[in-house]
Amino acid sequence: DQQVKQNSPSLSVQEGRISILNCDYTNSMFDYFLWYKKYPAEGPTFLISISSIKDKNEDGRFTVFLNKSAKHLSLHIVPSQPGDSAVYFCAASANTGNQFYFGTGTSLTVIP
Amino acid sequence: GAGVSQSPSNKVTEKGKDVELRCDPISGHTALYWYRQRLGQGLEFLIYFQGNSAPDKSGLPSDRFSAERTGESVSTLTIQRTQQEDSAVYLCASSWSGANTGELFFGEGSRLTVL
Repeated sequence: DQQVKQNSPSLSVQEGRISILNCDYTNSMFDYFLWYKKYPAEGPTFLISISSIKDKNEDGRFTVFLNKSAKHLSLHIVPSQPGDSAVYFCAASANTGNQFYFGTGTSLTVIP
Repeated sequence: GAGVSQSPSNKVTEKGKDVELRCDPISGHTALYWYRQRLGQGLEFLIYFQGNSAPDKSGLPSDRFSAERTGESVSTLTIQRTQQEDSAVYLCASSWSGANTGELFFGEGSRLTVL
């Protein structure tokens, strides 16, 4: 039962344009969301997070948007750079639980 | 180093053999997680340790899987009588505290191949 879903396995974007990665979740108890970035042969690294009390969090070129009513979040990267090419995982957790639930990832390729 | 350290980085074993994977978390991190990622799939939760509390083993797929942690330090994940479907990258992560309060810091993973 996949509680966090990333329906796009891959995405290609031209350098300098915006990359939009999407994530949907099913559990209404989730109240903390994170995005991780993973390069080949490395562990995932934390990118940005958002609490359910907010609908937007921005950190430099990275912005995460949360739509609680739609149970949807998205990661915007602008402008996209070739070094952003990686697999991006969405994750969610609930205050009542121990786990972080991860999506299956979206492979982003930024074309120079 | 200052990061999460995992060993071995790669392990090839024969079906039916036991394997042990090791994780050294970041010093001071009380929470430790094991995840696995099978080919083409997302990160699958296995087990969670928090301080001296009883571990959350709800993600372990079978009784062939077990894990231990000594205090707030090293953890070992043991897979007995390995099967081909156990082939995956096993990722360890640690954090200052449990879910909902911060991010996880991951190691580079141990790639297990069961022939």
